[in-house]
Amino acid sequence: GAVVSQHPSWVICKSGTSVKIECRSLDFQATTMFWYRQFPKQSLMLMATSNEGSKATYEQGVEKDKFLINHASLTLSTLTVTSAHPEDSSFYICSAWPMQPQETQYFGPGTRLLVL
Amino acid sequence: AQSVTQPDIHITVSEGASLELRCNYSYGATPYLFWYVQSPGQGLQLLLKYFSGDTLVQGIKGFEAEFKRSQSSFNLRKPSVHWSDAAEYFCAVGWNTGNQFYFGTGTSLTVIP
Repeated sequence: GAVVSQHPSWVICKSGTSVKIECRSLDFQATTMFWYRQFPKQSLMLMATSNEGSKATYEQGVEKDKFLINHASLTLSTLTVTSAHPEDSSFYICSAWPMQPQETQYFGPGTRLLVL
Repeated sequence: AQSVTQPDIHITVSEGASLELRCNYSYGATPYLFWYVQSPGQGLQLLLKYFSGDTLVQGIKGFEAEFKRSQSSFNLRKPSVHWSDAAEYFCAVGWNTGNQFYFGTGTSLTVIP
């Protein structure tokens, strides 16, 4: 089946630093990837839609300068949390739609970010 | 606006008992419907999905779900719960291939011996 990976799975950083999270589709190409954020004991909230070769579309309330998204290829999207602060600590999950029409998107295992 | 409702925030069942988790959606058209399970600190695992055809769909781990158009519901069921089923369950809907999913708020399942 289709596999989506995320790297790193865990990251701890100091306040003020930037953190990059990678989302890769391992065995398929994806023109569209999504980034979600999940707070403890809460649901997934869509942050942005990432399309290969174009600018990401951010959901209302998500700071695009804070959460930089780059979708450089059909198998890779990155989320960079710039100048991270403790309130950015969360579980970040990406997902990808295969280019060849399929009926579902595939989710990565998530990245847990802890900002000290 | 589209919305997904999971009315039960938390459910506790005894091992071996039956389970039903509720999911309702709000939208004019029939969406794609999904159930995911998430163990603590883990990503999402797809249990089952519905797109068209038979309204009763079978999934992994002995789960099934039934789409009822008249009730805009897609409830998840399992006849006999195992302790390993304790997790968070999310209902999700999508309306077109390639578009985002909308997630319910999740139902936390506790299984007691």
